[in-house]
Amino acid sequence: NAGVTQTPKFRVLKTGQSMTLLCAQDMNHEYMYWYRQDPGMGLRLIHYSVGEGTTAKGEVPDGYNVSRLKKQNFLLGLESAAPSQTSVYFCASNRGGPYGYTFGSGTRLTVV
Amino acid sequence: AQKITQTQPGMFVQEKEAVTLDCTYDTSDPSYGLFWYKQPSSGEMIFLIYQGSYDQQNATEGRYSLNFQKARKSANLVISASQLGDSAMYFCAMREENDKLSFGAGTTVTVRA
Repeated sequence: NAGVTQTPKFRVLKTGQSMTLLCAQDMNHEYMYWYRQDPGMGLRLIHYSVGEGTTAKGEVPDGYNVSRLKKQNFLLGLESAAPSQTSVYFCASNRGGPYGYTFGSGTRLTVV
Repeated sequence: AQKITQTQPGMFVQEKEAVTLDCTYDTSDPSYGLFWYKQPSSGEMIFLIYQGSYDQQNATEGRYSLNFQKARKSANLVISASQLGDSAMYFCAMREENDKLSFGAGTTVTVRA
């Protein structure tokens, strides 16, 4: 099993450009999450989903949108990228309970 | 408000010695869980250990043990017999509703030969 796959792994954007980060899981997990990691701040939750067709805001949702049209995919969109969105983005999925978390390998995004 | 606090930005430890990483948390929910994750320089998040709020005994996983003091709201990680491969960033995290995780800022551990 591939687990959680994030696409792309690296990306450089210009301010104002848009892009979509894809997270795909093959474990039939209900829960999916998008986090961002900035130096000295740990991981912070952007948006999450508790099932197909559902999304909810996390701690730092501004500037991002998400969609979960299919159970296995969770998309994170940046409509108009800003330098403050330069970060490493992690997707995670969970089947429910404490031992079911799986993290992707991360996407390093730089906005110039 | 900060839910997870890790007060040690960085620590050095001699190979084969033990090291304790501090973590305090804040919640009013009687049911919660606490994790420790390791993030090596390659960037992946590696699960180390979990402690549920109702667990009677402190969790242990090989060389990792969690010193859970519920009244003090602390969940310190102890790594015994440190190895060079233990050099990494370590995050404490708390499980909340909908299985969301709230992370601390992390502690960088450097193991010296």
